[in-house]
Amino acid sequence: DAKTTQPNSMESNEEEPVHLPCNHSTISGTDYIHWYRQLPSQGPEYVIHGLTSNVNNRMASLAIAEDRKSSTLILHRATLRDAAVYYCILRAAGAGNMLTFGGGTRLMVKP
Amino acid sequence: DVKVTQSSRYLVKRTGEKVFLECVQDMDHENMFWYRQDPGLGLRLIYFSYDVKMKEKGDIPEGYSVSREKKERFSLILESASTNQTSMYLCASSPYSGSSYEQYFGPGTRLTVT
Repeated sequence: DAKTTQPNSMESNEEEPVHLPCNHSTISGTDYIHWYRQLPSQGPEYVIHGLTSNVNNRMASLAIAEDRKSSTLILHRATLRDAAVYYCILRAAGAGNMLTFGGGTRLMVKP
Repeated sequence: DVKVTQSSRYLVKRTGEKVFLECVQDMDHENMFWYRQDPGLGLRLIYFSYDVKMKEKGDIPEGYSVSREKKERFSLILESASTNQTSMYLCASSPYSGSSYEQYFGPGTRLTVT
């Protein structure tokens, strides 16, 4: 399985944008890039996913590099409730519906 | 809203006991999953099911079994609980979609085996 590399932790100030990076240099052409986050004492929740083009939804934006070897999750205005562990996951086409979670990035938001 | 519920938030069992963890989803999803989450190891897939009475082993199935008699319910069974099965257990469900989908997670059951 293609692997992802994320920083262990990041800090942000409240109401500022946050850019969470993910490297996936061995990504294959049909791998989807998924992002989930896990708030304290909760199960993970879906944030966003993409294949090649940048994606936006109400929670975040996903910027995918042209060569697809990296991506960035963008939170446009961090709030204290965005403090969580963010997971970048590659889902291979034909792999059923399984997700393989890595270590993720712990985002801390300062007031 | 999709809802995935788990029977207990906290559970304490003794070594050797048979333990049942129940998960119910209300969105008619075909796929259901059981993970365990441990510090430093992240989430690891134990079993998943893509249809009633169908199951597939995940990465760490040893010591566990599952049951899916109805579409909405997926049970994780610890036949003889051991202390190394103390963990957070997370259930998830997803619709079947060939290319893109999302998994919906329950709140988790923190199991302690003493």
